Amino acid sequence: GAGVSQTPSNKVTEKGKYVELRCDPISGHTALYWYRQSLGQGPEFLIYFQGTGAADDSGLPNDRFFAVRPEGSVSTLKIQRTERGDSAVYLCASSLTPGGDYGYTFGSGTRLTVV
Amino acid sequence: SQQGEEDPQALSIQEGENATMNCSYKTSINNLQWYRQNSGRGLVHLILIRSNEREKHSGRLRVTLDTSKKSSSLLITASRAADTASYFCATPPSGGYNKLIFGAGTRLAVHP
Repeated sequence: GAGVSQTPSNKVTEKGKYVELRCDPISGHTALYWYRQSLGQGPEFLIYFQGTGAADDSGLPNDRFFAVRPEGSVSTLKIQRTERGDSAVYLCASSLTPGGDYGYTFGSGTRLTVV
Repeated sequence: SQQGEEDPQALSIQEGENATMNCSYKTSINNLQWYRQNSGRGLVHLILIRSNEREKHSGRLRVTLDTSKKSSSLLITASRAADTASYFCATPPSGGYNKLIFGAGTRLAVHP
């Protein structure tokens, strides 16, 4: 597609449930990033994929968070045993080069609300 | 941890005025990028300036970079109501080029 697509756009879940957030990057972009953004804050880095492998997962807050990109294209961010503190907008971005030398293209995000 | 910090946190101006936002960062960089975000959703890449550049223009945007002071500024000239958004600077962390670290942003309001 022409841009980065994220689904769903909104997700409301109960505390303790499992959720999956999907990101479909721009075709040909080998680098894919997940960020989390709380109200009034800047995006916080979670994980970076180069191809199929997670090259940097240092931003994942704990082991309840996991992400995959099995075929080097679509990525899924998985959150187990959700907590109210996980409520945020989850943003996905892709870039042509790992360093984002030409900038990142962001999706519109998934707003996750844990009740 | 934040690499870049924007200043001011919020800015309110009238249409036609210029808006200047500043960004300070902590470590050496190879590039610095500015993004815009409307309504708390997807960010849009505005401009990238490399460490060996001092100034860059794109339409009504002017970005400067002072590596000796570890600071950058974004100037929007002749602002419009449609420029109302949050603006973020972002840099790769020191020694790494595989991700961008964002500041907390400047919230710009342009009043008609």
